[in-house]
Amino acid sequence: DAGVIQSPRHEVTEMGQEVTLRCKPISGHNSLFWYRQTMMRGLELLIYFNNNVPIDDSGMPEDRFSAKMPNASFSTLKIQPSEPRDSAVYFCASSFSRTYTLSARDNQPQHFGDGTRLSIL
Amino acid sequence: QQQVKQSPQSLIVQKGGISIINCAYENTAFDYFPWYQQFPGKGPALLIAIRPDVSEKKEGRFTISFNKSAKQFSLHIMDSQPGDSATYFCAARGRGGKLIFGQGTELSVKP
Repeated sequence: DAGVIQSPRHEVTEMGQEVTLRCKPISGHNSLFWYRQTMMRGLELLIYFNNNVPIDDSGMPEDRFSAKMPNASFSTLKIQPSEPRDSAVYFCASSFSRTYTLSARDNQPQHFGDGTRLSIL
Repeated sequence: QQQVKQSPQSLIVQKGGISIINCAYENTAFDYFPWYQQFPGKGPALLIAIRPDVSEKKEGRFTISFNKSAKQFSLHIMDSQPGDSATYFCAARGRGGKLIFGQGTELSVKP
C-alpha cells in the first residue's frame, strides 16, 4: 500500500516567493496533519484536518501560512511570501479517526510522509 | 504544561547493550503516549505506544515503561543493534488529538 506522499521532496527558493507543498494522505484516512521540523523547535503541529475540515490551526505561525484540503486525497500548505526563517522540513501525516475529537478510545496512529525539505535563501 | 521533556539528547550504546530514553510530562490530560523512530531523510514512523492505564508494554526488543504517578515514561531497546541507530521521539496526545513531541534522542549503536 502507498504511504503518505509528499511533493516536492526538496524546494529551494528565494525570499519573497510563494511556496506550495503538497500531500496525498493514505487512502481511507480521514485526518490529516501538517508538521514542521527544525533543530531549534523540534516537531511542531501546524494544522490538522478531519474529514477535510480544518479543526485546529493554532500552530500556524502567521498569516503567511495557509493550508487547504479540497478533497479527501489532497492537501496543500502554502507560504506567501516566504522568509528564510521558514526553512525547515515539513511533514504531512494522516490517520483514521472514528470520532470528531480523536477521543481516548481512538488510538489510530499517525503515518508520516518523508517530508519536504524547504530552503528559503 | 503542554511540553514533553526528553532525555538524553544523544546516546551511544554498544551492540547488544540496552538503550534507555526517558520522557516526562506535566499535563495529566494526555491520554496516549507513542514513540516514533526516524531515519535520516525519512518521516517519523510509529514504533510502539502505550495508554496511561498500562504500566508496561513490550513488542519484541522494544519496551515502554510508564509511571503515571511520576508522569514519566521510557523506551528500552534490548539487545541494541546498529540498525537501531536513528532518532527517537516520544510524544503525548492531548486535547483535540494533538501530538506533542519531545525534542528527540539521537541513538548510535556501535558494532
